[in-house]
Amino acid sequence: DVKVTQSSRYLVKRTGEKVFLECVQDMDHENMFWYRQDPGLGLRLIYFSYDVKMKEKGDIPEGYSVSREKKERFSLILESASTNQTSMYLCASSSLKVTSDNYSNQPQHFGDGTRLSIL
Amino acid sequence: AQRVTQPEKLLSVFKGAPVELKCNYSYSGSPELFWYVQYSRQRLQLLLRHISRESIKGFTADLNKGETSFHLKKPFAQEEDSAMYYCALRLGGDDKIIFGKGTRLHILP
Repeated sequence: DVKVTQSSRYLVKRTGEKVFLECVQDMDHENMFWYRQDPGLGLRLIYFSYDVKMKEKGDIPEGYSVSREKKERFSLILESASTNQTSMYLCASSSLKVTSDNYSNQPQHFGDGTRLSIL
Repeated sequence: AQRVTQPEKLLSVFKGAPVELKCNYSYSGSPELFWYVQYSRQRLQLLLRHISRESIKGFTADLNKGETSFHLKKPFAQEEDSAMYYCALRLGGDDKIIFGKGTRLHILP
């Protein structure tokens, strides 16, 4: 069974702090994602990575950066936390399935989420 | 622009009644559609995908390209179906997924 583990369930930080959210998956998945989940706004993609050291901006990358030094770990970094970054953060991973004639991306598996409060 | 629309924020139905959660998408290419579900205090998980054409927990969803819809249906609602449901669209050849804003399904006893 796929396991996506986010290091913290709850985190409280102060405005201006540098915040690290860690995510680890144990299924050797190529793709990893960071979303934030807000009431009335659904899930919004912040960043994703399709390989080690490779990253792509999602829909709302401003104020965030990411790091993927190892395949199993994808870190989300809030460079200088602000109160509007208070949210539930979800990490996800997915694999590439290789068939005889192409690659197809498989459904995403999600972690439990980190509820981050910025005071 | 690519978009997923779930018009209802909250849907309340009585136990045993039919359920239909609406989802419409906007995409000119070949879409891949999913429904994800999040039960209370649990992680978001895949419920079903259109290419599988399966029924999961009694739910089905048919992709209607003419109406650009992927509504989620169940003939008889159960209390354990109460959850947040997200419709999602994956663009062809990409792994980015666009989520709708979600519909909270509340089953009344």
